[in-house]
Amino acid sequence: SQTIHQWPATLVQPVGSPLSLECTVEGTSNPNLYWYRQAAGRGLQLLFYSVGIGQISSEVPQNLSASRPQDRQFILSSKKLLLSDSGFYLCAWRGRTPLLTDTQYFGPGTRLTVL
Amino acid sequence: AQKITQTQPGMFVQEKEAVTLDCTYDTSDPSYGLFWYKQPSSGEMIFLIYQGSYDQQNATEGRYSLNFQKARKSANLVISASQLGDSAMYFCAMREGPRSGAGSYQLTFGKGTKLSVIP
Repeated sequence: SQTIHQWPATLVQPVGSPLSLECTVEGTSNPNLYWYRQAAGRGLQLLFYSVGIGQISSEVPQNLSASRPQDRQFILSSKKLLLSDSGFYLCAWRGRTPLLTDTQYFGPGTRLTVL
Repeated sequence: AQKITQTQPGMFVQEKEAVTLDCTYDTSDPSYGLFWYKQPSSGEMIFLIYQGSYDQQNATEGRYSLNFQKARKSANLVISASQLGDSAMYFCAMREGPRSGAGSYQLTFGKGTKLSVIP
């Protein structure tokens, strides 16, 4: 079966520090991968998606970047964090439901606080 | 204009009662899909149910059913026999375009409804 991992689970970082969040998927190959951010009490904002190794599409211009160095690995980075980068970051992969339709399955998330 | 609208920021329901969470959508694409996710306090997004634009019957999955009214562009989630564990945020989402195949397969999410089940 497929599983998705994210780490770290929580992170507290000072303003101006770098960031690296990692997402890995097991049990599938060449999945679409997605990074979302969720501000407190809000919906999900799509940040980046990737349809394959080295292929990154950005949905929102900002100081964040993403990379996909391996088939099942998706990394979210920043060189200098801003206060507004605080939030809950979710990684997702495109998978198939038992009823044979595609959906997105989410990881456990990383809660980032920038102080 | 918002593509997914959830007009109920919060809802309360008595345990064992049924509850309907509203979702309206906006798209001009004839092929689309509608999804509901549950987000408990732990934060993980859990896929609940899916309805395709060409599906003739309303989707059901255990205690969850989707009241799909295509002409009104609504896709309300019905939870029957509410349980305390149903207390969570619920998000409606939409995919525009084919249900499978190549492509980005992006989802657009609503702002969510917080459901509280009262014992």
